[in-house]
Amino acid sequence: KAGVTQTPRYLIKTRGQQVTLSCSPISGHRSVSWYQQTPGQGLQFLFEYFSETQRNKGNFPGRFSGRQFSNSRSEMNVSTLELGDSALYLCASSLEAGVWTEAFFGQGTRLTVV
Amino acid sequence: DQQVKQNSPSLSVQEGRISILNCDYTNSMFDYFLWYKKYPAEGPTFLISISSIKDKNEDGRFTVFLNKSAKHLSLHIVPSQPGDSAVYFCAASAETGNQFYFGTGTSLTVIP
Repeated sequence: KAGVTQTPRYLIKTRGQQVTLSCSPISGHRSVSWYQQTPGQGLQFLFEYFSETQRNKGNFPGRFSGRQFSNSRSEMNVSTLELGDSALYLCASSLEAGVWTEAFFGQGTRLTVV
Repeated sequence: DQQVKQNSPSLSVQEGRISILNCDYTNSMFDYFLWYKKYPAEGPTFLISISSIKDKNEDGRFTVFLNKSAKHLSLHIVPSQPGDSAVYFCAASAETGNQFYFGTGTSLTVIP
């Protein structure tokens, strides 16, 4: 069974640009969550999607957006990139929303904004 | 505002001894807790969980203890092995669902 796949693995962008990150969940998983990991901040929750609907949203500015497709694949978009957006972006999938269960993480996309 | 705190950024333990990783939380509504392990260049992997109806959960060498009155949980690894060297994150959720609040992580080094 394939795990969570995130593409690309590494990305370098310039301030002011926009970026789109992709996440393919484990087959059969319908819930996808996104997290930002920066040194000293741990994993900060961005948003969660279930059945193409955003179910939860973390405390991030509107420059961070996402969506989920009918096949459960999810994309995350960051517009008007800032230096502080440099981070490891992790996607996690789980079977269902609203159920106590662990989430399975991808390897992440390392975004560097210069 | 960090609702889940891991106050020890790093911990070193001799192989074969016990590793104790601590986690504190501030939100009394949290009722489900997990520990994840993360190796460099990999995503976090699930280790063990506990719900608030229990105060202890064991899985092999890993045991998680929950003290609800103190809003504290800990992960015990006995015996510690060099392969356990990784960053450990604790996470908490306030309801059934997937919005987890993560701590900042503790980097464990097990010395052979």
